[in-house]
Amino acid sequence: NAGVTQTPKFQVLKTGQSMTLQCAQDMNHNSMYWYRQDPGMGLRLIYYSASEGTTDKGEVPNGYNVSRLNKREFSLRLESAAPSQTSVYFCASSDGQLKRNEQFFGPGTRLTVL
Amino acid sequence: KQEVTQIPAALSVPEGENLVLNCSFTDSAIYNLQWFRQDPGKGLTSLLLIQSSQREQTSGRLNASLDKSSGRSTLYIAASQPGDSATYLCAVSGYSSASKIIFGSGTRLSIRP
Repeated sequence: NAGVTQTPKFQVLKTGQSMTLQCAQDMNHNSMYWYRQDPGMGLRLIYYSASEGTTDKGEVPNGYNVSRLNKREFSLRLESAAPSQTSVYFCASSDGQLKRNEQFFGPGTRLTVL
Repeated sequence: KQEVTQIPAALSVPEGENLVLNCSFTDSAIYNLQWFRQDPGKGLTSLLLIQSSQREQTSGRLNASLDKSSGRSTLYIAASQPGDSATYLCAVSGYSSASKIIFGSGTRLSIRP
């Protein structure tokens, strides 16, 4: 039982490049989330997917897109990376608000945009 | 709009002491409150989750309490150890924002041997 996995662990991009962060969970959870963590600012929600086939914006969605590929996988795409997107990105999953809704996190992706 | 605050931002105590970390939130209509631990350069590990109908949860040396009416939660750590050094974050999930969870900025705890 791997829990929540993320790839890659580290990435360096140049301004304007694009990339996709991958996330998968094996806990049969309904809800999945993408957060970014910046020093002194805690975690901020970028996008979330309450259930397969649905996605919604969080607190800081600009510059990002997401895809809920199936129940297991939720990807985050940066179409044209900017230095302001340098951050640590975390994916999380939970069984959903009709249940306990405890969140489980992946190990994170450290992204640097030059 | 829900806001979650954790004070102090950093705390240093000698080994063996009991300590309390604080979390406050502005909207009492929460679904649950969760405490996490984060080690440097790592992801978040869930410590305790309190449902809105509960007053407290315990796991080993950790006890978390919830007072919705005052918008407060505390995380009590008994007999602290150097291995408890980490950043502790609280997060609340609200009914009105389905599935969204709002995090505090954390308390960085250092236990001195």
